[in-house]
Amino acid sequence: EAGVAQSPRYKIIEKRQSVAFWCNPISGHATLYWYQQILGQGPKLLIQFQNNGVVDDSQLPKDRFSAERLKGVDSTLKIQPAKLEDSAVYLCASSSLALFGRNSGANVLTFGAGSRLTVL
Amino acid sequence: AQTVTQSQPEMSVQEAETVTLSCTYDTSESNYYLFWYKQPPSRQMILVIRQEAYKQQNATENRFSVNFQKAAKSFSLKISDSQLGDTAMYFCAFMKRNTGNQFYFGTGTSLTVIP
Repeated sequence: EAGVAQSPRYKIIEKRQSVAFWCNPISGHATLYWYQQILGQGPKLLIQFQNNGVVDDSQLPKDRFSAERLKGVDSTLKIQPAKLEDSAVYLCASSSLALFGRNSGANVLTFGAGSRLTVL
Repeated sequence: AQTVTQSQPEMSVQEAETVTLSCTYDTSESNYYLFWYKQPPSRQMILVIRQEAYKQQNATENRFSVNFQKAAKSFSLKISDSQLGDTAMYFCAFMKRNTGNQFYFGTGTSLTVIP
């Protein structure tokens, strides 16, 4: 199966500019996650979607970050205006709520390659 | 809130030796899962191993095994016969299953396998 697709892979912007990241999850995966990973740290959940509804956005800085998943498939994450501290890798992941067990076969949470943002 | 703690920021191991990475977590949930994910340098995060909390038997995947101590809320990863390709960041993760399948990650352990 195709993996989680993300673009762009790299983006460099000046502070106060805007940027958008795109994610296409694995086909059929109902749950989509956006994580922020600052260098040397673990992923921090920004927002979680179940189909096109928001499950958790408690750590999303809503004054500058927004995300949508209009048709329950692709998702975009936008930052406007960007700050220096937004420099990070933005990871998209998806999950199928697959049953566990020896024969389930699939990863529960599958990550994309990430989008690396540098804010100057 | 759930927290995941990895107290070893960096570790190293000689090739072919065994290494254990530590993870503790704090939760009031009874229905949850635990994971170890691997993130090689400049590459994407992949699942190493997973454990259902209701199972007492420790999960194993080839050279990777866990020591799951539910009462102590401890979930360590043992890598046997370490290989150069095991060099990576390792993240312990917790997922609660009541609603939403929300994942929480630790801060990671950077493992270097020395030839």
